[in-house]
Amino acid sequence: QSALTQPPSVSGSPGQSVTISCTGASSDVGSYNRVSWYQQPPGTAPKLMIYEVTNRPSGVPDRFSGSKSGNTASLTISGLQAEDEADYYCSSYTSNSTFVFGTGTKVTVL
Amino acid sequence: EVQLVESGGGLVQPGGSLRLSCATSGFTFSSSWMHWVRQAPGKGLVWVSRIKSDGSITSYADSVKGRFTISRDNAKNTLYLQMNSLRAEDTAVYYCGPQGHYAFDIWGQGTMVTVSS
Repeated sequence: QSALTQPPSVSGSPGQSVTISCTGASSDVGSYNRVSWYQQPPGTAPKLMIYEVTNRPSGVPDRFSGSKSGNTASLTISGLQAEDEADYYCSSYTSNSTFVFGTGTKVTVL
Repeated sequence: EVQLVESGGGLVQPGGSLRLSCATSGFTFSSSWMHWVRQAPGKGLVWVSRIKSDGSITSYADSVKGRFTISRDNAKNTLYLQMNSLRAEDTAVYYCGPQGHYAFDIWGQGTMVTVSS
């Protein structure tokens, strides 16, 4: 149950786009469209941003989008805003009927 | 309004035990798979355990298997996590929540567990 691999940090200027990768294995990300993404500003509980690879819950801006190719999922934030500065985590269901989170990525708005 | 209130955390010595509770309201608890997720101070999220709506199926992360037990009381809309043989590396904020679309769509504020002598 190794954590999914994410870059430690990404940054961008307001209005730019940033993409966060989430690399797993054929036993998790590669086998299921059950990847989700979470936003966690400092000192707060996580918030679901994307589920089942591409779906946004009600209330999440359409600036947030998800995709997947092979064993790697991605979260793209378009039109970056100051309020998007936070830690982001991916998660996937696994072939062992468990879940695994990613290592986390800090998004900085320059 | 959906509410998740975790409780039962605190300071415990290595080798000790704690029982966490998660009181819920505002959604159909008895129909929901439920999970525990933890986050050590300054670290990332780690999935801990899950339990089926009727309690018949449970899963655990390797790091807690054999030491932690997840359970639920559907009559009380409450989820539990019995934690035994606690280690320093179990120190974390513990969150509970329901599973929706193989994701964790509702989060409480968590309860802090500190394992230290």
